[in-house]
Amino acid sequence: LAKTTQPISMDSYEGQEVNITCSHNNIATNDYITWYQQFPSQGPRFIIQGYKTKVTNEVASLFIPADRKSSTLSLPRVSLSDTAVYYCLVGDRNNNQGGKLIFGQGTELSVKP
Amino acid sequence: GAGVSQSPRYKVTKRGQDVALRCDPISGHVSLYWYRQALGQGPEFLTYFNYEAQQDKSGLPNDRFSAERPEGSISTLTIQRTEQRDSAMYRCASSPKDRSTQYFGPGTRLTVL
Repeated sequence: LAKTTQPISMDSYEGQEVNITCSHNNIATNDYITWYQQFPSQGPRFIIQGYKTKVTNEVASLFIPADRKSSTLSLPRVSLSDTAVYYCLVGDRNNNQGGKLIFGQGTELSVKP
Repeated sequence: GAGVSQSPRYKVTKRGQDVALRCDPISGHVSLYWYRQALGQGPEFLTYFNYEAQQDKSGLPNDRFSAERPEGSISTLTIQRTEQRDSAMYRCASSPKDRSTQYFGPGTRLTVL
């Protein structure tokens, strides 16, 4: 199973762009990269998934270089409500490795006014 | 529409007692997952079901933990002879089919005194 490494915490201010990088040196050819967001007192929520290059949705963008050994989640113009823990997961499509999600420690993003 | 629900939201019990945690998945979802989350950590996989069949129980810590989903809908996670180390947030998730995006419930906070 591919292991992921991401910063434990990050601070930002409202209106700034936030980039969270995740390392996954042992990613397999069939693996996808998925990010989940978890607000305090809530369960994790899927936000974006990609295989290569760039994926964008209404919440975030995901940048994946050609070697796929890392990925960067980009949150444009963050607000206080983006304060959450962000998890990077690697696995087969839809990030189920035999049905289970493998979470790391995640990155705790704190957005300040 | 209605999301995943769990009950009770909070459970305080004394060491040695049995507890039953309930999960009501999104209607029609085939797969149901149980996770345990310690403070400051990502969720840790326990077990999952497709319909009523338990597909993987490799994450259950020991034989005091069991889960069932007899009619392929509601699931119960039972912990027998609880111990203080069982204290954690227990999260349930469901997905429309095996290996697709998982939707998490609010969790049950278990405290064993």
